[in-house]
Amino acid sequence: EDKVVQSPLSLVVHEGDTVTLNCSYEVTNFRSLLWYKQEKKAPTFLFMLTSSGIEKKSGRLSSILDKKELFSILNITATQTGDSAVYLCAVDPNYGQNFVFGPGTRLSVLP
Amino acid sequence: DADVTQTPRNRITKTGKRIMLECSQTKGHDRMYWYRQDPGLGLQLIYYSFDVKDINKGEISDGYSVSRQAQAKFSLSLESAIPNQTALYFCATSDRTVILNQPQHFGDGTRLSIL
Repeated sequence: EDKVVQSPLSLVVHEGDTVTLNCSYEVTNFRSLLWYKQEKKAPTFLFMLTSSGIEKKSGRLSSILDKKELFSILNITATQTGDSAVYLCAVDPNYGQNFVFGPGTRLSVLP
Repeated sequence: DADVTQTPRNRITKTGKRIMLECSQTKGHDRMYWYRQDPGLGLQLIYYSFDVKDINKGEISDGYSVSRQAQAKFSLSLESAIPNQTALYFCATSDRTVILNQPQHFGDGTRLSIL
């Protein structure tokens, strides 16, 4: 059974801290891994990763994939209160029918 | 206006009632999806459709049905609602792809409570 695990499930930090969110997966056929940010409403797309070792970066957020060890990390540097959200990891396990989502990491950034 | 619109935004109903959740999109995407989200469980796929004549079951389709009325419209029905279907429901769309599944675009969700 395809499975995506995220850790920690919940995290509380103060503004300015750096955080690392983890996503590990077990899937039959890996195609890609995606990160989403979910605030109060719809998840919004952050990154899509397909190759090991190539960092994707957007402002203070960055992500990298390790296909050998079957995991990805999402880093957020100099956190701000606006980074408070649930961060979802999703894996495409086959040729495009559906994604498998992890449970999410709830990040709270305190002022 | 939102690219993916879900109606209603909130609904409270009683056990045994028939419920329809509607989704419309202006993105021109072929692929549409229905998910439910429960605390601590992430998003679970209910049904998906790759075009108007294509309907596929997801991992938790029991108790649900769907209709793809047009490229832009995809509705989810609960024929006889039960309390454990209380959840946040999301509609999503994605573009057609040859190799990789493209990122999905989500609506703002429908919060459904069944008493």
